[in-house]
Amino acid sequence: DAKTTQPPSMDCAEGRAANLPCNHSTISGNEYVYWYRQIHSQGPQYIIHGLKNNETNEMASLIITEDRKSSTLILPHATLRDTAVYYCIVLNSGYSTLTFGKGTMLLVSP
Amino acid sequence: NAGVTQTPKFRVLKTGQSMTLLCAQDMNHEYMYWYRQDPGMGLRLIHYSVGEGTTAKGEVPDGYNVSRLKKQNFLLGLESAAPSQTSVYFCASRPLGLAGGIDTQYFGPGTRLTVL
Repeated sequence: DAKTTQPPSMDCAEGRAANLPCNHSTISGNEYVYWYRQIHSQGPQYIIHGLKNNETNEMASLIITEDRKSSTLILPHATLRDTAVYYCIVLNSGYSTLTFGKGTMLLVSP
Repeated sequence: NAGVTQTPKFRVLKTGQSMTLLCAQDMNHEYMYWYRQDPGMGLRLIHYSVGEGTTAKGEVPDGYNVSRLKKQNFLLGLESAAPSQTSVYFCASRPLGLAGGIDTQYFGPGTRLTVL
C-alpha cells in the first residue's frame, strides 16, 4: 500500500472550513484514499473515501488531485466537536487491513 | 443495533497474568480486527479474521492469541501479560468488500489495559 504524509497538527477557527492535506505520491491506480478520524478516547470513525473523483457526503468533502498524488479533506464548517486526529489511508479495494499513521491533530477553537 | 462492543472497558493486570478481551458485533460483519494504540501513536493491527473459524496475524501479533468461534465474537487473549502490552485495545468489524471500494471499518469504544 502507498504511504501517506500528513502534517502533525493544524488549527481552525470554529465555523470556518478546515482543509486537511495528505500526500500519497506513490499511490497506484487501483488504490483508494480513505479518511478516518479519532476523537479523544474513542475508536476511529470512517469519514469518506474516493478513487479519482471528488466526493462529498454529510460529514465532509474529499478533493483528489488529477494526478492522484495528493488529496484534501474539507470540513466545510468546523465545530468544536470536530477536534480530533484525522487519518489519511491508502489501500486497495477489498484489501482487508488498514494501516494507520500518526495522522493530523486538528484543533478547532472558538 | 449496539454496533461493536468491547468487554471490559478497563483492566489492570500484574505481569504474568492472563486475560481475554471480548469483542462483539451485531451487524453480521464478516471481518473483525484487533488493534492496539500506544500514546501518541496510530493504531497497529494485532490480528484479524476474515470469517468464522479463521484468523490471521497483523503487524504486531507476538504475545497475543485470538479466536473467532462465532461470527459475532472475536476474542483477544494475553497468556502472560507484560508491561509492554499496556495499551488501549480497539476492536473493529466490517462487511465484505462492496463494489466501489467501500471498505469501512466500524470501531468499538476501546479497552484500556494496564500491566504492572
